[in-house]
Order: sequence, then C-alpha cells, then structure tokens
Amino acid sequence: ETGVTQSPTHLIKTRGQQVTLRCSSQSGHNTVSWYQQALGQGPQFIFQYYREEENGRGNFPPRFSGLQFPNYSSELNVNALELDDSALYLCASSPWTSGATDTQYFGPGTRLTVL
Amino acid sequence: QKEVEQNSGPLSVPEGAIASLNCTYSDRGSQSFFWYRQYSGKSPELIMSIYSNGDKEDGRFTAQLNKASQYVSLLIRDSQPSDSATYLCAVYSGNTPLVFGKGTRLSVIA
Repeated sequence: ETGVTQSPTHLIKTRGQQVTLRCSSQSGHNTVSWYQQALGQGPQFIFQYYREEENGRGNFPPRFSGLQFPNYSSELNVNALELDDSALYLCASSPWTSGATDTQYFGPGTRLTVL
Repeated sequence: QKEVEQNSGPLSVPEGAIASLNCTYSDRGSQSFFWYRQYSGKSPELIMSIYSNGDKEDGRFTAQLNKASQYVSLLIRDSQPSDSATYLCAVYSGNTPLVFGKGTRLSVIA
C-alpha cells in the first residue's frame, strides 16, 4: 500500500511569486485535505477536495486555490506569496465513509520559505 | 470558533515513567478524537483515535475520552527517549476537517 506523497520537499520563493505544491493520496483514499503548519503551531485547515470538487474551506484568502484530479491526486496553488506564507504545507488523505472523512493520514509535507 | 487547547509544555518525564498529555475542546458536537505524534521537521503521524467515552489502549498508549467534560488525554507508559516529540490533539466535528491544538512538546530524559 502506497502512502501519501508530496512534492517538492523544500521550496524557496520570493514575495509576489506563485507556487504549486503536489500531493498523491494513499491508495484507496478519495479525499484530500491541505493544511498549513507555521512554526510552533498546529496544522491549520486550508481546504478539502472530494470527487474533484472543493468540499470545505478554512479561513484562507482566495489566493490559496486547489485542484483534485480523477486519480485523486491534488495540487495546492498559492499566488502573490507573502512572507507569512512560509510554513510546512501538509497534505492528508482519507477515505470517504458514511459522509465523513475523519481519519486522515499525512504526507511528509513541503517546507515553503518565502524571502 | 471551534478550539482545541493543549498545554504547550515542554513536559519532561524520566525514562520509564508515565507521560500524561491533556487536551480540551470547545465543540460539544465533536465526534472523533485523534492523537498525532510529530517529530521535529517531520509530518504528523497518527497514533491513536477514540470515538466513545472511556479508555482505549494500544500497546504503551492509552487514550481517554470524557465528552461531558470535553476532555481527551493520552497516557504513554514506560516512556522512552524515542517518544520525545510534539503530540498534537485533533478533533473532528462532522462538518469540517480536523481542528488541531498547538501541540504539547514531550521530552523523555534518559
């Protein structure tokens, strides 16, 4: 069974640039959630995708956007990068069972640094 | 605003002792509760889930849930230096994905 994978591992960008992060879900999982984890904080929910549609969004501005593909992989796009966007970005996959997606398994994360 | 509160620590315990980690949550409708372990620079790893009041044991780990008090805890018996990590409490309320606490840093002293 393949776990959740993310790419790239590390990324350095400058303010105002755009970035795309990628995630492949665990085998058998059809739901992907993205989280932002700043240093010393718990993960903060960005959004979730199910059946290629956004299924819930946290308190993040529209410059954070995403996609889910038919194979359940997903992308997180961030436009107009700001210094505060520097964080560990985590992708989590889960099976959709009984309308719930509670048990989530995380990928290794992408460390984004904005200079 | 759904909140999950944890003591940030650090919590220091000697090797072989019991480590007790605590978490409170604000949403009474919360249904599922999780403990994740996160080593420095790594992603969270699921170690326990609990859904109903009482205790749930898995090896050296015991999760305890009290929904009336909106309280969930994690006990780690026979603590080892390899248990040194940040422990994240996460709560699921059915209509939003997980809400995490800030984590408690545990240090097991050899």
